[in-house]
Amino acid sequence: SQKIEQNSEALNIQEGKTATLTCNYTNYSPAYLQWYRQDPGRGPVFLLLIRENEKEKRKERLKVTFDTTLKQSLFHITASQPADSATYLCALSGSARQLTFGSGTQLTVLP
Amino acid sequence: GAVVSQHPSWVICKSGTSVKIECRSLDFQATTMFWYRQFPKQSLMLMATSNEGSKATYEQGVEKDKFLINHASLTLSTLTVTSAHPEDSSFYICSASPTQGYTDTQYFGPGTRLTVL
Repeated sequence: SQKIEQNSEALNIQEGKTATLTCNYTNYSPAYLQWYRQDPGRGPVFLLLIRENEKEKRKERLKVTFDTTLKQSLFHITASQPADSATYLCALSGSARQLTFGSGTQLTVLP
Repeated sequence: GAVVSQHPSWVICKSGTSVKIECRSLDFQATTMFWYRQFPKQSLMLMATSNEGSKATYEQGVEKDKFLINHASLTLSTLTVTSAHPEDSSFYICSASPTQGYTDTQYFGPGTRLTVL
């Protein structure tokens, strides 16, 4: 069965450092992969989408890589700030546009 | 742009009653809307895919007679939890995919917290 794993439930880093979150998947050939941010009691907010034929995508302080051979995506936040503290979800999608979410990684950026 | 609203944001009801949750795309048209459920400390689980003007497609294990979905227009989908029970208490989140533009992206609503007593 399809499985999506995000590297850890929680990640603490110091302000100013780069946060790196990992999303691994098995038994899946996604057309694209997305990263979302979710704050407590709120719906997810779309951050970045990367397609299967793209290796890397950037948006401001965010960078996503997608390795379909390793079946892995890395999500980086550079120059992290306490305001970046949230749960980050990766989600995979096939052609039907339905999303399958990972369990999320709770990031805490310490001042 | 790409704002999705949900109403109500939270609701408390008695066991056996029905609750309707609305999901609206405010500044774009959405042919497809999705309904998710999220339990505490867990990820979002897709319940059903709703297409405007047609019947919703439910995921395995989701009772279609219990979770009624109506997608009557390109900007509104509703989820009705019928005869709600305490085990239906959860965080319900909808999302919408634009008809034009970034059609692969889902924009999520803020969620509705349902508590069944």
